[in-house]
Amino acid sequence: KQEVTQIPAALSVPEGENLVLNCSFTDSAIYNLQWFRQDPGKGLTSLLLIQSSQREQTSGRLNASLDKSSGRSTLYIAASQPGDSATYLCAVWRGFRETSGSRLTFGEGTQLTVNP
Amino acid sequence: DTEVTQTPKHLVMGMTNKKSLKCEQHMGHRAMYWYKQKAKKPPELMFVYSYEKLSINESVPSRFSPECPNSSLLNLHLHALQPEDSALYLCASSQESIRGQSNQPQHFGDGTRLSIL
Repeated sequence: KQEVTQIPAALSVPEGENLVLNCSFTDSAIYNLQWFRQDPGKGLTSLLLIQSSQREQTSGRLNASLDKSSGRSTLYIAASQPGDSATYLCAVWRGFRETSGSRLTFGEGTQLTVNP
Repeated sequence: DTEVTQTPKHLVMGMTNKKSLKCEQHMGHRAMYWYKQKAKKPPELMFVYSYEKLSINESVPSRFSPECPNSSLLNLHLHALQPEDSALYLCASSQESIRGQSNQPQHFGDGTRLSIL
């Protein structure tokens, strides 16, 4: 059964700081990994999607890496801003050969607060 | 504003009622998803439609019945729900999926907050 863990559960940083959010998964037979953000009372916003054959993706101040063999992904946020405050979730789709259990597993999320 | 529209935003219903949640997107996406999210918890995938056909049902109880009448619309029909079904129900869409699994970013609606009395 795939388990996805995100560390830390909560993080509070001053504005302008660079930060790293961590995601680990127990089953390396994944199809892809996605990072999302969720604002209170809202749906999810897709930030970055990394295919299992890729090692990283970048979008603006965000960089996500994937090390499938070690079961780890990181989301790097450069020059953090108060508007980055949200809950960040990672999610993995299982590989096609996997036929039991949920096909998509989310981590519990990291609640980020960026203080002005 | 989100490109995936969900209605209603809030719904309160009794355990004997029948209601439907609706989701609409006009981005030409051919994969659509239903998720359930309890408070302070991550979303759980319920159903995936790919090209208007149900491709994933994550062992969801039959009191939840999905329907995809066309490529832009996704419904979730509710009947005889239990209090533990109270949650935020999220709809999402993506450009395509392979065997129901998304390989493109998903776009989410803001959800329907459902309360079962």
